[in-house]
Amino acid sequence: AAGVIQSPRHLIKEKRETATLKCYPIPRHDTVYWYQQGPGQDPQFLISFYEKMQSDKGSIPDRFSAQQFSDYHSELNMSSLELGDSALYFCASSLSRKYGNQPQHFGDGTRLSIL
Amino acid sequence: GQQLNQSPQSMFIQEGEDVSMNCTSSSIFNTWLWYKQDPGEGPVLLIALYKAGELTSNGRLTAQFGTTRKDSFLNISASIPSDVGIYFCAGQRETSGSRLTFGEGTQLTVNP
Repeated sequence: AAGVIQSPRHLIKEKRETATLKCYPIPRHDTVYWYQQGPGQDPQFLISFYEKMQSDKGSIPDRFSAQQFSDYHSELNMSSLELGDSALYFCASSLSRKYGNQPQHFGDGTRLSIL
Repeated sequence: GQQLNQSPQSMFIQEGEDVSMNCTSSSIFNTWLWYKQDPGEGPVLLIALYKAGELTSNGRLTAQFGTTRKDSFLNISASIPSDVGIYFCAGQRETSGSRLTFGEGTQLTVNP
């Protein structure tokens, strides 16, 4: 079965640069979520979208923005990158609650390294 | 913010042994999920629980949604080497569409 696709898998940037992470949800899934996982940490929720509208916002820095497009894929845009932004960034997708109980399924993440 | 306390933090067991781990919260969640994460990969869903008191199995894995809706446990029976990894519990306020709050994870090591 098709899974959540994230690209790129690895990204190396320098401080103050920008980065764009992409997420392609499981086909028919209309809700996407972004999480950040530091080394040895659990994933922390950043932001989510349903039907192209932001549905929830967590601990996402103002330097980051995200959007969901009409084909339901999502992009996380990160600017003025800092050393502390080095982490694994996961996207998850699910069907919305109107379809009943729907768990989130995760992609394999983008490993972002800031030099 | 929301905190899930997951224990134990790590476990070292022999192949064939049973394993138990749990999560507790100071507040109510309406959904509990258990994920397994291997190095360099994303969390993989093991079991999802949607109803207080629910007991659900997936092969050698069994999980329960606590009756107070503030806790959940995961049991793994007859462990095998490929069970090695980090197990995360996650709570969700709504049945779907809302953020997951994760526990700190349990690192499981299985010695052959």
